[in-house]
Amino acid sequence: EVQLVESGGGLVQPGGSLRLSCAASGFTFSGHWMHWVRQGPGKELVWVSRINTDGISTSYADSVKGRFTISRDNAKNTLYLQMTSLRAEDTAVYYCVGGGSYYPPYWGQGTRVTVSS
Amino acid sequence: DIQMTQSPSSVSASVGDRVTIACRASQDISGWLAWYQQKPGKAPKLLIFAASGLQSGVPSRFSGSGSGTEFTLTISSLQPEDFATYYCQQADSFPYTFGQGTKLEIK
Repeated sequence: EVQLVESGGGLVQPGGSLRLSCAASGFTFSGHWMHWVRQGPGKELVWVSRINTDGISTSYADSVKGRFTISRDNAKNTLYLQMTSLRAEDTAVYYCVGGGSYYPPYWGQGTRVTVSS
Repeated sequence: DIQMTQSPSSVSASVGDRVTIACRASQDISGWLAWYQQKPGKAPKLLIFAASGLQSGVPSRFSGSGSGTEFTLTISSLQPEDFATYYCQQADSFPYTFGQGTKLEIK
């Protein structure tokens, strides 16, 4: 059974930092691109970032470029999202997504990030 | 960035109805389009990939069509479990972008 389990979300003050993790199992993690997608309260889905299989190539949404860093540890089957200089508009549920480069079918249950003073 | 626009934003329909949701891209994305279904409090589920490919395990009443800038998702005969929000997403270029969603409600 494929599982993507996110952790690391929580309440953080504006300007603060958080690191999200996603533990993957049930598929060949190292063989697939991985993505982060977020969804603000009552809002639409927003693609955040993507990383290729060896971690060398990354892409980001303009809204997070320069503040967020995606990385992966294939030995640990784990995906990360380091988030800095957090803003209120970063408040969202963050989903770890993977299993297919262009059309990833596997989604985690999400971890909630709230940026508020 | 490529903008994705869905229509309608919401639609009311009855069990057994045929429903079509449209998605328009701001530039040519060939067939690089996916459709997702999301139910409240749940993660999205991939329904259609590459504009018309049916994801494994998805009922055949779901179908996708289109290319270039105009795409559609059709549900041939609505079932009670199909009432949800549907999103299109372009995979032509980064940043990937989603449509704003179409909420399918029970009439």
